[in-house]
Amino acid sequence: AQSVTQLGSHVSVSEGALVLLRCNYSSSVPPYLFWYVQYPNQGLQLLLKYTTGATLVKGINGFEAEFKKSETSFHLTKPSAHMSDAAEYFCAVSDWSGNQFYFGTGTSLTVIP
Amino acid sequence: NAGVTQTPKFQVLKTGQSMTLQCAQDMNHEYMSWYRQDPGMGLRLIHYSVGAGITDQGEVPNGYNVSRSTTEDFPLRLLSAAPSQTSVYFCASGGTGGKTGELFFGEGSRLTVL
Repeated sequence: AQSVTQLGSHVSVSEGALVLLRCNYSSSVPPYLFWYVQYPNQGLQLLLKYTTGATLVKGINGFEAEFKKSETSFHLTKPSAHMSDAAEYFCAVSDWSGNQFYFGTGTSLTVIP
Repeated sequence: NAGVTQTPKFQVLKTGQSMTLQCAQDMNHEYMSWYRQDPGMGLRLIHYSVGAGITDQGEVPNGYNVSRSTTEDFPLRLLSAAPSQTSVYFCASGGTGGKTGELFFGEGSRLTVL
C-alpha cells in the first residue's frame, strides 16, 4: 500500500506571508497526486491535482504544487496567505487504477491577522 | 444542484446495534466510495464501487458492508456497531475515480457508538 506523509499537523502563518505545506509520498511507480481542502464541518474539496505532464500545477484560490519525483514530494504553496485560507489541508495519492486513494493525516493551517 | 447527499448527519448507537448510512449522488458518477475520518489519521478508504453491481474493499473494510444496486446510491451498513467505529464518515463520488482526480464529497455523517 502507498503512504502519504504530511510534515506538521499544525502550521501558522501571518496574513500575507508565504504558505508552505509539505507532502511526501511512497510509491514505486509515478502516482496520481492531489491536494484537498476541508473547511469546518464540510466535506473535502479538490484544490489541485497532478496526473501527467507539467510538474508545476496550479489550483484554485492561488495555490500551486510541484511534483518532484526525485524527492517523492508534492508540496503545496501559496505566495500570500489570506484569512479565508484557514482550513485543514490533505495530501492524497491514488494507486495506478485510480480506485484507491491514500490520504495524509492533514495539516491545519491557521492564518494570523 | 445537490451533488453528494449523506444521511443522517448525526447518529448515536449502542454497541451491537445496526444501522445504514445513506449516500446518494446526482452526477451520474460511476465511482463511489466511503471513508472514515479519525483525529490524527486522516481519511481511510472503507469500500468503493466502480459501477452498479461492483464493489471492492479499501484499506479498513472490517465491520462494514456495502452494495451498489443503482448508479446513484451507495449505502454503508454497520451490522453490529462497536465503539471503534465512532468516527466521521464521508461518501465521495467521481467520474472515473483517481484518473480524473476530482472526488466530490458529501458533508459527512458523525457516528458515535456507546
